Amino acid sequence: DIQMTQSPSSLSASVGDRVTITCQASQDISNYINWYQQKPGKAPKLLIYDGSNLETGVPSRFSGSGSGTHFTFTISSLQPEDIATYYCQHCDSLPYTFGQGTKLEIK
Amino acid sequence: QVQLQESGPGLVKPSQTLSLTCTVSGGSVHTDVYFWNWIRQPAGRGLEWIGRIYRSVTTNYNPSLQSRATISVDSSKNQVSLRLTSVTAADTAVYYCVRKRGRGSFDSWGRGTQVTVSS
Repeated sequence: DIQMTQSPSSLSASVGDRVTITCQASQDISNYINWYQQKPGKAPKLLIYDGSNLETGVPSRFSGSGSGTHFTFTISSLQPEDIATYYCQHCDSLPYTFGQGTKLEIK
Repeated sequence: QVQLQESGPGLVKPSQTLSLTCTVSGGSVHTDVYFWNWIRQPAGRGLEWIGRIYRSVTTNYNPSLQSRATISVDSSKNQVSLRLTSVTAADTAVYYCVRKRGRGSFDSWGRGTQVTVSS
């Protein structure tokens, strides 16, 4: 299985801050990575697919980049409604696996 | 817009079989475009992909489940089902029915259903 190592596991930031989360794949997955947002008690929501493509309706402050084994997810200006846990997920091969998650809190 | 709704017993005894149903509305489960998946999440923990079904017959499963999972489609009811045999407390989780689009992005999720394995 491909392991997705996500960091940090938790993050505290202020409104307006630039926030960056990273995900390292255990082998080359090209750009086959997706990013999700999960709010408490809710299902995850797809934000970024295939590395850098913004899902329809998702605000442009969210972005993704990277290729190979190192990937970055960025919120350009943190908003109060962005408080959630964020997950990366690879779709290179089966079984699909997720990162451990990054819990984002407001400072 | 497609909607997915999971249903099933919230409590299952150890060693028994967990059976869940996902009712899909706003789209057909018998499609060449999408895969239908089950994903679970233990309380306070991360997400685990269980398996998928495509074109109503082609299935793939996570090897970690050691052949305990079966996913099927009932096209007449537009439903996707999950069976997980020989459950233990480790199978306690919220179970999500999820649509996969394209290479592998999960673009539509049900609300999830809590399943607890306990005697």
